[in-house]
Amino acid sequence: EAGVAQSPRYKIIEKRQSVAFWCNPISGHATLYWYQQILGQGPKLLIQFQNNGVVDDSQLPKDRFSAERLKGVDSTLKIQPAKLEDSAVYLCASRRGETQYFGPGTRLLVL
Amino acid sequence: AQTVTQSQPEMSVQEAETVTLSCTYDTSESDYYLFWYKQPPSRQMILVIRQEAYKQQNATENRFSVNFQKAAKSFSLKISDSQLGDAAMYFCAYRRGYALNFGKGTSLLVTP
Repeated sequence: EAGVAQSPRYKIIEKRQSVAFWCNPISGHATLYWYQQILGQGPKLLIQFQNNGVVDDSQLPKDRFSAERLKGVDSTLKIQPAKLEDSAVYLCASRRGETQYFGPGTRLLVL
Repeated sequence: AQTVTQSQPEMSVQEAETVTLSCTYDTSESDYYLFWYKQPPSRQMILVIRQEAYKQQNATENRFSVNFQKAAKSFSLKISDSQLGDAAMYFCAYRRGYALNFGKGTSLLVTP
């Protein structure tokens, strides 16, 4: 069974630029999550999808972050415009039963 | 709000020895799930072990076991016969809805 795929693995941008991350969950997993992990901290939930609907986006900074999951499979997380404090690892996960399976993450550096 | 506290930023253990990582949490719920995840330098989060709060028996997965004290809201991870490959960040997590609340993590160093 293929795991959760994410791309790119690394991204360096300047502040005020835009960036997008892509996630492909494990086949058949209806629930998809995006987490932000700042250096030295545990992951923090940004948004949760069930199929192509949003279940929880209460911690998503909606003035600059957006996410979509068209057709209930792949998902894209976008930041526009980026700030220095957005430098972090962005983790995607999908769920089967009680267990979440994580992708390798995208490390974002905002200069 | 549920909070997860890991009070040990770093721990060190010698190969083949046993180490215990601590985790406490705060919740008003009676039924919930707790998890330990491992994050090696590659950054991929890997599930180590899971505990259902309604189960009195402590979960065990090979060399990994937990000491779940529901009344004390404590959920520690014991790693027996430590191996070099166990070196990683370890995160304790509480399931909130179907998302996870993570602690800040404990960095485990394994020395030969």
